[in-house]
Amino acid sequence: DGGITQSPKYLFRKEGQNVTLSCEQNLNHDAMYWYRQDPGQGLRLIYYSQIVNDFQKGDIAEGYSVSREKKESFPLTVTSAQKNPTAFYLCASSATGGAVDGYTFGSGTRLTVV
Amino acid sequence: AQSVAQPEDQVNVAEGNPLTVKCTYSVSGNPYLFWYVQYPNRGLQFLLKYITGDNLVKGSYGFEAEFNKSQTSFHLKKPSALVSDSALYFCAVISERSGGYNKLIFGAGTRLAVHP
Repeated sequence: DGGITQSPKYLFRKEGQNVTLSCEQNLNHDAMYWYRQDPGQGLRLIYYSQIVNDFQKGDIAEGYSVSREKKESFPLTVTSAQKNPTAFYLCASSATGGAVDGYTFGSGTRLTVV
Repeated sequence: AQSVAQPEDQVNVAEGNPLTVKCTYSVSGNPYLFWYVQYPNRGLQFLLKYITGDNLVKGSYGFEAEFNKSQTSFHLKKPSALVSDSALYFCAVISERSGGYNKLIFGAGTRLAVHP
């Protein structure tokens, strides 16, 4: 089945550590996105990528980094510069434009600082 | 600028009663409109979309939404609510003028609580 796979489902980070969240899609979608969701809140865009080897900052990019070396993969690194990283992270993808078909979402990664 | 408003943080309804979750939007040109549902600790699932054509759109799990251009609204409805419908609902919009690429704009979400 086509879809988006996020791993791990749960992740624990110590203070000062960098951690990387994985996002893989087999939908042949060009565009991919990372969102952050705090408890009971809406979605905030961290980074997005329209094509391979290109990505753009979203609304809350500080303390995060991404890469897009392959069409299928869009990993997100939460760096030590992100002071409050505990949140639910969602990855999504869309066909070029995203206008008609909307987004397909992964199941999310819950990151907790310990 | 494009925007989406979901004026209610939470909607409470008794099981078996009709439900409505409200959404209004602002875009340049014609809108493409979407509803997504999120269950706890899960990603967003697509419910339905309006692109063009009939103003009443039917989607998954018995949900439907009515596009009203004059009121710039796209309210989500269901004739008879189930306890299992309890979840967080997001409305999203994009303008048809976006062309090759643009981002969906999401509302803040409305929590639906259906009581037995």
